Amino acid sequence: NAGVTQTPKFQVLKTGQSMTLQCAQDMNHEYMSWYRQDPGMGLRLIHYSVGAGITDQGEVPNGYNVSRSTTEDFPLRLLSAAPSQTSVYFCASSYGGGLAGVDEQFFGPGTRLTVL
Amino acid sequence: AQSVTQPDIHITVSEGASLELRCNYSYGATPYLFWYVQSPGQGLQLLLKYFSGDTLVQGIKGFEAEFKRSQSSFNLRKPSVHWSDAAEYFCAVPNFGNEKLTFGTGTRLTIIP
Repeated sequence: NAGVTQTPKFQVLKTGQSMTLQCAQDMNHEYMSWYRQDPGMGLRLIHYSVGAGITDQGEVPNGYNVSRSTTEDFPLRLLSAAPSQTSVYFCASSYGGGLAGVDEQFFGPGTRLTVL
Repeated sequence: AQSVTQPDIHITVSEGASLELRCNYSYGATPYLFWYVQSPGQGLQLLLKYFSGDTLVQGIKGFEAEFKRSQSSFNLRKPSVHWSDAAEYFCAVPNFGNEKLTFGTGTRLTIIP
């Protein structure tokens, strides 16, 4: 099993550009989520999904879109990048659909994004 | 909403010394609690979790944590640290009907020879 994979590992964007961060898991997990990590702020939840076709907002959803058409994939879209979105982005998955907070979360290696 | 506080931003420990990282939670009932570790350049990995029962929980890599209701704490301990333990450590608690996980701000651990 590859676990949770994320692409790209690094990305530099200009303000206003759009892009999609890819996340895939091969563990047949129902729950997937996106976090951003900023110094001194820990990890903050952006969006999450409890199963294919179901998504919901986390703490900091503004400026990001998600969709979940398959169990395996959960892409994160930046519609118009801003310098405030410079961060490290982590995708995570866990087995339970409705009890994500009590299952072990499996994290990808992260994407380091810089917006100029 | 439930939350966790990690009061120490950065801790430096000598190799072979003991370690205690602090985590305080804010919730009246017995919470579920987690400790995750992030090695440099990596994603997070679960160290241990507490759901109920025995208040001393054993985890991977020789770590343990003790749940203390009277102090609202879930501190992480290791009797003797190794250079490979240098990492950032996050305490976490579920929220919103257990659909979400809320992380603390993390404690960065530096190991000196």
